[in-house]
Amino acid sequence: QVQLHQSGPGLVKPSQTLSLTCAISGDSVSSNSAAWNWIRQSPSRGLEWLGRTYYRSKWYSYYGASVKGRITINPDTSKNQFSLQLNSVNVEDTAVYYCARGPGVLSPWGQGILVTVSS
Amino acid sequence: QSVLTQPPSASGTPGQRVTISCSGSSSNIGSNTVNWYQQFPGTAPKVLMYNNNERPSGVPDRFSGSRSGTSASLAISGLQSEDEADYYCAAWDARLNGWAFGGGTKLTVL
Repeated sequence: QVQLHQSGPGLVKPSQTLSLTCAISGDSVSSNSAAWNWIRQSPSRGLEWLGRTYYRSKWYSYYGASVKGRITINPDTSKNQFSLQLNSVNVEDTAVYYCARGPGVLSPWGQGILVTVSS
Repeated sequence: QSVLTQPPSASGTPGQRVTISCSGSSSNIGSNTVNWYQQFPGTAPKVLMYNNNERPSGVPDRFSGSRSGTSASLAISGLQSEDEADYYCAAWDARLNGWAFGGGTKLTVL
């Protein structure tokens, strides 16, 4: 049974970098059949897909248009996890951030972390 | 503004049948399968239906899904109080090269 566990700070200052990690158990970040996603949820924007990374003989990463240029999703094969970095955050980046396994269907999801952008 | 369109709310009394609609376009629902997620307050969304009408193990057959053209719907028959939750539709969007979500429907069991 695949489980995802998220970690990272719940408070980030404006203009700084948001960094979260999603640890995987029951599967491998290097799996040739999985894709590892980040999604966020806020009252104003609803559920918003941020991006994904996956391995198919080499690593691929794709990002949503709303955060492209500010986002990086990286795998960490030594720790079997993947990370999210979002640069130059502002108050509109305040949201609950989730990681989730794909493709085809997003399942399971991590427990979610509320990240507040505030000085 | 979500890519997929859902009614913000739905309601029914115990035992009733309720349907939730999800409208999209040719780049998402029109060309890819639809998934539905159920979310209770303070918890992560959980898949309720995938590939338009397939239920993960443990999901009662009171829940059913369908897709036609660029729209999809989730039906819940024999409504129960524990069905009170938020429901989201989702589909891969080929134009966005990413997941598209609906804005969510809050189901109230009266």
